[in-house]
Amino acid sequence: GAGVSQSPSNKVTEKGKDVELRCDPISGHTALYWYRQSLGQGLEFLIYFQGNSAPDKSGLPSDRFSAERTGGSVSTLTIQRTQQEDSAVYLCASSFNTGPREQFFGPGTRLTVL
Amino acid sequence: AQSVSQHNHHVILSEAASLELGCNYSYGGTVNLFWYVQYPGQHLQLLLKYFSGDPLVKGIKGFEAEFIKSKFSFNLRKPSVQWSDTAEYFCAVSTTSGTYKYIFGTGTRLKVLA
Repeated sequence: GAGVSQSPSNKVTEKGKDVELRCDPISGHTALYWYRQSLGQGLEFLIYFQGNSAPDKSGLPSDRFSAERTGGSVSTLTIQRTQQEDSAVYLCASSFNTGPREQFFGPGTRLTVL
Repeated sequence: AQSVSQHNHHVILSEAASLELGCNYSYGGTVNLFWYVQYPGQHLQLLLKYFSGDPLVKGIKGFEAEFIKSKFSFNLRKPSVQWSDTAEYFCAVSTTSGTYKYIFGTGTRLKVLA
């Protein structure tokens, strides 16, 4: 079956612009995670969605970052007023909500803020 | 708070040498453990995982890891590396409750000389 897909694969934007990154999880996976991989911070957790529960936003670095998950499937990560330090690869992962909850990662979106 | 330490940041080996990459975590409860590999220009790929049972886990491409609970360690090993193993390796830990988010180590860059 299809894995986790993310779009766009690359995004170049100017400082101050808003960007939206999309994640399509594996069908049937109710848990969805966003991570960020950057040179300075390594791989870090951003936000977690599980079904209709309130998301765990504890990893979001600032209030410029937000995410939503519509219909329990597709998720969009939005970064407002982008800054150069937002340049990173944004990874999405999904898992079932039972068992060890192994996460399956998408290929990521490489964001470059000029 | 949970943390994961990978003490070797850069490792250079010749082909056929043996490899051991260290991974230690701090968390008093039950954990799931993972090793991921990221080849140049590619996305994260799961090498192996430990949930429970035999603490010696075998993964793809001849890699294995041993979970030593008393040492909070999950070291990655390979008896004989190849040039194609040149990549960055990440250890990750998740709890077995709550969000199950992954905490990643900072990664180890392995360069194998032909």
